[in-house]
Amino acid sequence: AQSVTQLDSQVPVFEEAPVELRCNYSSSVSVYLFWYVQYPNQGLQLLLKYLSGSTLVKGINGFEAEFNKSQTSFHLRKPSVHISDTAEYFCAVNFNKFYFGSGTKLNVKP
Amino acid sequence: DAGVIQSPRHEVTEMGQEVTLRCKPISGHNSLFWYRQTMMRGLELLIYFNNNVPIDDSGMPEDRFSAKMPNASFSTLKIQPSEPRDSAVYFCASRPPQDPEQYFGPGTRLTVT
Repeated sequence: AQSVTQLDSQVPVFEEAPVELRCNYSSSVSVYLFWYVQYPNQGLQLLLKYLSGSTLVKGINGFEAEFNKSQTSFHLRKPSVHISDTAEYFCAVNFNKFYFGSGTKLNVKP
Repeated sequence: DAGVIQSPRHEVTEMGQEVTLRCKPISGHNSLFWYRQTMMRGLELLIYFNNNVPIDDSGMPEDRFSAKMPNASFSTLKIQPSEPRDSAVYFCASRPPQDPEQYFGPGTRLTVT
């Protein structure tokens, strides 16, 4: 069965600091991996996706993620966050249908 | 493209009333998904369609919920009768052929009093 675990429900961080949002998945087959961002009162917007190829994936707004097959992880990183990055971030795995993690709320403080 | 369109954006209704949520997927997309988002349960997949045919409705909570996709450009999610525990944000998403990425609409915030 497929499942996605986001280990941190909330991550507070100061502006211009680096951040890593963790995501682990369980799957016995190859999967596609995604990170979505949800700003307050809005829908989900794709940040980046891994389908195949290079394990380091770059997305919008300076975010990147690394696919680690041996650790079944797909952690999201940004070297320097802005106040505007305050949002909820969802990791998702696709195998026929999407399985979403429970979300991580990133709170960037001035 | 206008993206996935959902209407209404907000809906407030009384318990026992029928509620219909609407979705227009992106033109050319052949898969459509309905999700529900609540604080307690997060994002839940309710049902998805492929080429207008329901493929998996295992997430539909109970018989009060029904979804239809009469054509490639329109889908509805109906709740009859509605209950306060149905209060949530309902998202529609669509997906093009041969692409696993889903494109989300802005959601409908439903409040049942």
